[in-house]
Amino acid sequence: EVQLVESGGDLVKPGGSLRLSCAASGFTFSNTWMSWVRQAPGKGLEWVGRIYSKTDGGRTDYAAPVKDRFTISRDDSRNTVFLQMNSLTTEDTAVYYCTTYYLSGSSHGLIPYWGQGTLVTVSS
Amino acid sequence: EIVMTQSPATLSVSPGETATLSCRASQSVTSNLAWYQQKPGQAPRLLIFGASTRATGFPPRFSGSGSGTEFTLTISSLQSEDFAVYYCQQYIIWPPTFGQGTKVEI
Repeated sequence: EVQLVESGGDLVKPGGSLRLSCAASGFTFSNTWMSWVRQAPGKGLEWVGRIYSKTDGGRTDYAAPVKDRFTISRDDSRNTVFLQMNSLTTEDTAVYYCTTYYLSGSSHGLIPYWGQGTLVTVSS
Repeated sequence: EIVMTQSPATLSVSPGETATLSCRASQSVTSNLAWYQQKPGQAPRLLIFGASTRATGFPPRFSGSGSGTEFTLTISSLQSEDFAVYYCQQYIIWPPTFGQGTKVEI
């Protein structure tokens, strides 16, 4: 069974930083591209970014609102993907979901697997 | 970036009726279109992919159609557990954008 378990969500002040983690199991993590999607309270879904598998180059891509502030990384030895968030603003308040982005045999960007989400609140 | 537009924003239907949700893409996504169902307090769940293929666990009363820029999700004989928010998403190019959602309410 595929599981994605996020952690690290918290209340943080504007300008602050936070690191989210996502522990994956039930699939071959090292071959899988991963991504983060967020959802502000009462709003729709918004992509944050993606990270390729190391075998595909380990590249990262980010949505415009978070580019240069957020960094996605991965540790294949721990089956974990991270989201480092810096220079946070109130606009970053959201539930952050860890998702698969590209699984072998699937399509890029199609998300069959989601974590339960972790809440990040940016407020003074 | 491809813009996905869903209509209506809210759809009020009675149990047993049929709900028809629309999704329009600002440029062709061929059949690279997915629908997700989200219930309160839960993560979204993949419902339809390839515009018309139902994901595991969803009954045949859910059906998707369309290609190019116009897509439809039809929910026949609505059950109480179907009341939720539905999002369409294109995944032909990065970023794979979502629509703003349609809330199906009683």
